[in-house]
Amino acid sequence: KQEVTQIPAALSVPEGENLVLNCSFTDSAIYNLQWFRQDPGKGLTSLLLIQSSQREQTSGRLNASLDKSSGRSTLYIAASQPGDSATYLCAVWDTGNQFYFGTGTSLTVIP
Amino acid sequence: NAGVTQTPKFRILKIGQSMTLQCTQDMNHNYMYWYRQDPGMGLKLIYYSVGAGITDKGEVPNGYNVSRSTTEDFPLRLELAAPSQTSVYFCASSRNPNTGELFFGEGSRLTVL
Repeated sequence: KQEVTQIPAALSVPEGENLVLNCSFTDSAIYNLQWFRQDPGKGLTSLLLIQSSQREQTSGRLNASLDKSSGRSTLYIAASQPGDSATYLCAVWDTGNQFYFGTGTSLTVIP
Repeated sequence: NAGVTQTPKFRILKIGQSMTLQCTQDMNHNYMYWYRQDPGMGLKLIYYSVGAGITDKGEVPNGYNVSRSTTEDFPLRLELAAPSQTSVYFCASSRNPNTGELFFGEGSRLTVL
C-alpha cells in the first residue's frame, strides 16, 4: 500500500524567505502527484499537478518538482508572504485507483 | 462557478441517528470521492465512484453507504451514527484522475454525541 509522508509537520518562517516543503512516497508506480493548499475550516485547493513523465511544474511563486525514482517531491515557495500561511498537502494517484494523501505541513509566515 | 457543493456544513447527531451528506458537482466529472479528515491522520477514502451507477469501497467504508444515480450527485449516508464518525467529511471530483486535478468541496463537519 502506498504511504505518503510530509516533513516537517509544521514550519514557521519570516516573511520574504524562500522555503521548501517535502513529500515522499513509497511506491514509484504513480500517474501523478498534486500539491494542495488547505486554509482552516476550508476544503483543499489544487496548486500544482505533476504528471509522472514530468520533472516539475511552476505557477507564480510556486515550483513543484518530482523525482519518481526516489519517491520524492518538493514544493518551493519563493518570497513567502503572510497570505501563504496554510496547510500544504501532497497526494499521489497511483495504479491502485485512488489518491493517497500526506498528513500535511502547516506553514506560518510571520510578518 | 459552483464546482463541488456539500451540504450541510455543520451537523450534530446523537448516537444511533442517521443522516445523509449531500454532494453535487457541476463540472460533468465522472469520478467522485468521499473522504474523511481527522486531526493528524490525513484524508482517508470512504467510497468512490467512477460514473453513474458505479460505486466502490475505499479504505474506511464501514458505517457508511453511497449511491450514484446521476453524474452530478454522490450522497453519503451514515447509518446508526457512532462517536467514531465525528470528523470532517470532504467530497471531491475529477474528470480523469490519471491526468487531471482533484476538486474539493468545502467540507461537512459532523459531531456525534
